[in-house]
Amino acid sequence: DQQVKQNSPSLSVQEGRISILNCDYTNSMFDYFLWYKKYPAEGPTFLISISSIKDKNEDGRFTVFLNKSAKHLSLHIVPSQPGDSAVYFCAASSKTSYDKVIFGPGTSLSVIP
Amino acid sequence: GAVVSQHPSWVICKSGTSVKIECRSLDFQATTMFWYRQFPKQSLMLMATSNEGSKATYEQGVEKDKFLINHASLTLSTLTVTSAHPEDSSFYICSARMAASGRAGRQFFGPGTRLTVL
Repeated sequence: DQQVKQNSPSLSVQEGRISILNCDYTNSMFDYFLWYKKYPAEGPTFLISISSIKDKNEDGRFTVFLNKSAKHLSLHIVPSQPGDSAVYFCAASSKTSYDKVIFGPGTSLSVIP
Repeated sequence: GAVVSQHPSWVICKSGTSVKIECRSLDFQATTMFWYRQFPKQSLMLMATSNEGSKATYEQGVEKDKFLINHASLTLSTLTVTSAHPEDSSFYICSARMAASGRAGRQFFGPGTRLTVL
């Protein structure tokens, strides 16, 4: 039972264009969402997060949008750079067990120079 | 800041032996550390949550007698895979959460340990 879904296993984008990574969740108790970036043979590194009281959070080239009614969030990277090529994990936690973060399966992003 | 290390980064062992993996927070105190397992091309699966000075909380389906977790200090947690078998081969990743970091406290991940059981 996958509570956090990332339906696109991979995505290719031209350098300079926008990358949009999507994430859907099923657990309505989730109220805090995070995006992590992971290179091969390394641990994930935190990118950006959003609380359910917001619908948008921006940090430099990265923006996360949250649509609670649709249980959907997306990560926008503008402009995309070759160094952004990595696997991106969407993750979520709930108030009742906020130490427990549930990860999605990841989307592998390739930014083509 | 907020660096988490793991040792070893890669280990190969024979079936039936035990392997210990260390996770250290190098520049901060971590009251809570987490152990994840990642299969190829799959997500990170939380195995257990470890709080300093107390017993670890294991996720459903994770054998606590097989995966022994010790969190003896605010900077060190260890995962011991006992009597390892080939199906235990995986990428094990730890993370640490800063003490008193509150709800928004992020987890900082180690680089992972690749375990191969022959």
